[in-house]
Amino acid sequence: AQSVTQPDIHITVSEGASLELRCNYSYGATPYLFWYVQSPGQGLQLLLKYFSGDTLVQGIKGFEAEFKRSQSSFNLRKPSVHWSDAAEYFCAVGPPFSGSARQLTFGSGTQLTVLP
Amino acid sequence: ETGVTQSPTHLIKTRGQQVTLRCSSQSGHNTVSWYQQALGQGPQFIFQYYREEENGRGNFPPRFSGLQFPNYSSELNVNALELDDSALYLCASSPGQANTGELFFGEGSRLTVL
Repeated sequence: AQSVTQPDIHITVSEGASLELRCNYSYGATPYLFWYVQSPGQGLQLLLKYFSGDTLVQGIKGFEAEFKRSQSSFNLRKPSVHWSDAAEYFCAVGPPFSGSARQLTFGSGTQLTVLP
Repeated sequence: ETGVTQSPTHLIKTRGQQVTLRCSSQSGHNTVSWYQQALGQGPQFIFQYYREEENGRGNFPPRFSGLQFPNYSSELNVNALELDDSALYLCASSPGQANTGELFFGEGSRLTVL
């Protein structure tokens, strides 16, 4: 069965510092990969996605993620964090083909706190 | 463009009762998925509807059921509520069954079961 592991439950960084959030997955094939962000009282917003091709993908709000097949990882990075980035971040995987139910499997999330 | 809207935003029920949650999909989206997010957890897939038919289901019992209407809006019904059903219920829409999995989420309905 597929699974997603986000080993860091809570991360605290200072504003302006760099950020890396870890994500490891278990899946029968290379899945579609996603990072979503959830602010308090809000739904989930897609930051970026990987389907195929270039393993470094760019997303919104200055985020990027790198897919590493050998490590089954899809880590999220940002070179300089802003106070508005404080939120919960979810990594998710989905079936690597269309025409089926888009059942995403989510990790348990990483809560990001940004210090002034 | 109107995003995904859900109602009600908060509700409280007692064990054994039934609840109906509603979702209006984003304009142009004909596929709706429902997810349950327990406190401190990531969302878990309940089921998906496409053209008024359920076409995928997660590991949830039959007392979780749904509907999709011709205008693509959707309902999630939960019967015989249990304490563990307390969670944020998220609706997500997407532009077609054969899409790549990019979901557009509503802000959720927070259900508390006492």
